[in-house]
Amino acid sequence: DAGVTQSPTHLIKTRGQHVTLRCSPISGHKSVSWYQQVLGQGPQFIFQYYEKEERGRGNFPDRFSARQFPNYSSELNVNALLLGDSALYLCASSLGPGQYEQYFGPGTRLTVT
Amino acid sequence: AQTVTQSQPEMSVQEAETVTLSCTYDTSESDYYLFWYKQPPSRQMILVIRQEAYKQQNATENRFSVNFQKAAKSFSLKISDSQLGDAAMYFCAYRSAGAGGTSYGKLTFGQGTILTVHP
Repeated sequence: DAGVTQSPTHLIKTRGQHVTLRCSPISGHKSVSWYQQVLGQGPQFIFQYYEKEERGRGNFPDRFSARQFPNYSSELNVNALLLGDSALYLCASSLGPGQYEQYFGPGTRLTVT
Repeated sequence: AQTVTQSQPEMSVQEAETVTLSCTYDTSESDYYLFWYKQPPSRQMILVIRQEAYKQQNATENRFSVNFQKAAKSFSLKISDSQLGDAAMYFCAYRSAGAGGTSYGKLTFGQGTILTVHP
């Protein structure tokens, strides 16, 4: 079975631009979580979605938004990019929200110049 | 808010030897889960081991075991018979067992420990 997939692998954007990152969960998993990992640090929780609804939100500005589609895939959108948004963005899928195990994808490396 | 602290930025071990990675956490909750994740240079975060706070018995997974001290809020990872493939960044993580709230499902990670394995 395929694991969590994310696209693109790498992305370079300019300050002020908008970016969309994509995630496909493991087949049968209905929940997706997003994390931001700045170089040399641990991942920080951004969102968790389940059944197309936001079920958890971390301490990130409103420039960050996400959505989940009927097939359980998800998009993370970041508007008005800042240099500080440069990071590895990780997607994790789980059977359901909350207490189920989260399985991580390989991440998308975003560089903002 | 919960916090997770890993005080060892880097550790090294000889192949076939044993190494222990430290983790402490702070929480006011009584029911929670603790995890160790491994992140190789390939970036894929892999779950190594999981511990439920209500269980007194320490979790083990093959060469990996934990020392969970709930009162001291300590959760260390022991890797026995270290192998070259164990080289990676290791993260300790916390997750509340409570339902609801904006932190539902949130994993809180420590800063990580880079483990080097010498042949």
